[in-house]
Amino acid sequence: NAGVTQTPKFQVLKTGQSMTLQCAQDMNHEYMSWYRQDPGMGLRLIHYSVGAGITDQGEVPNGYNVSRSTTEDFPLRLLSAAPSQTSVYFCASSYLPRGGHGYTFGSGTRLTVV
Amino acid sequence: GENVEQHPSTLSVQEGDSAVIKCTYSDSASNYFPWYKQELGKRPQLIIDIRSNVGEKKDQRIAVTLNKTAKHFSLHITETQPEDSAVYFCAAPLTGTASKLTFGTGTRLQVTL
Repeated sequence: NAGVTQTPKFQVLKTGQSMTLQCAQDMNHEYMSWYRQDPGMGLRLIHYSVGAGITDQGEVPNGYNVSRSTTEDFPLRLLSAAPSQTSVYFCASSYLPRGGHGYTFGSGTRLTVV
Repeated sequence: GENVEQHPSTLSVQEGDSAVIKCTYSDSASNYFPWYKQELGKRPQLIIDIRSNVGEKKDQRIAVTLNKTAKHFSLHITETQPEDSAVYFCAAPLTGTASKLTFGTGTRLQVTL
């Protein structure tokens, strides 16, 4: 049981490049989400999904796309990287709530856009 | 949407003392309140959570209290140790989407010898 696996751990992009951050979980969690973490701003929700084929926007979705073709995978795509997207990205998953559940986080991707 | 405010942003205590971090939330329908600990360079990890049908929950040296009337909840760490040094985040769910958590901005706790 690997939990939530994120790749890559580190990435440097040039402005305008595109890339996909991978996230996979093996806990059969229905809910998956992407957060970005910036100093002093906590964790801000980018996109989330409550099941395969269902995605929705979070607090800061601009410049990012997601898809959920399977329960296990939830990739995050940066369409045209900008320096403002320099951040640490975390994928998180949980069971859907029957009263709410804690998240399991991946180990994070540190992205630098130059 | 849900708004979660967390205080203080930094907290320094001596080893053995207690530490208290407080969060307030805006949505009176919120019913689940987790706390996460994030060590430097690591992922956030769930350390304790409380549901709205209880007022307090303890797990060894950590406890969480909930005041639904005042809409605030607090993390209490007793007998602090150097390994408690980390950033702590509270969170609360948006109404009707209890899986969609809004996080506080974090408290950096430093336990000094």
